[in-house]
Amino acid sequence: EPEVTQTPSHQVTQMGQEVILRCVPISNHLYFYWYRQILGQKVEFLVSFYNNEISEKSEIFDDQFSVERPDGSNFTLKIRSTKLEDSAMYFCASRVGNSPLHFGNGTRLTVT
Amino acid sequence: GESVGLHLPTLSVQEGDNSIINCAYSNSASDYFIWYKQESGKGPQFIIDIRSNMDKRQGQRVTVLLNKTVKHLSLQIAATQPGDSAVYFCAENIKGGSQGNLIFGKGTKLSVKP
Repeated sequence: EPEVTQTPSHQVTQMGQEVILRCVPISNHLYFYWYRQILGQKVEFLVSFYNNEISEKSEIFDDQFSVERPDGSNFTLKIRSTKLEDSAMYFCASRVGNSPLHFGNGTRLTVT
Repeated sequence: GESVGLHLPTLSVQEGDNSIINCAYSNSASDYFIWYKQESGKGPQFIIDIRSNMDKRQGQRVTVLLNKTVKHLSLQIAATQPGDSAVYFCAENIKGGSQGNLIFGKGTKLSVKP
């Protein structure tokens, strides 16, 4: 069964540094998403992306965040200047049509 | 399926028994609901979904029940197996919003005793 794949599985960075989290959505999917999950808390929506533009974003997704689909297969989340509170699991997800959302296994971001 | 802070409600069942996981959703305008299973170190895995024009939907060993009157969703797992041990999240989508913009509940941890 096709999967959403994310790299790296764990990223450690220092406060103030830029990080890029990478995702390869399922190949025929057209809608792409980033969610995050702070340890022990619920999964939270960050942003949705369709047709090469952001279609919806949450309050969490401020100017420090950006997304990009640099080519036909990758979907990235960039955090420009990381803060301690950005430490979380970041999940990429994708879907097509009315299919349910399929999630990757996440990148654990640790900001020190 | 609500919890406070880091403490998830836990359901402990014996292998072979049926499990029922409950969820109270927040918005009466929600029209799409979905259950995910999350194992340690993995992303949410789709189990089953239901739209608001239905009150019951069955899958393989799982059934979702929707009660819109009291904004309640439940997931029933038949003949629970050790591999079912995980955290289960319900999620809702508000009508008119992007289908992928899901509002997740806080999760219930299911432990299956062999």
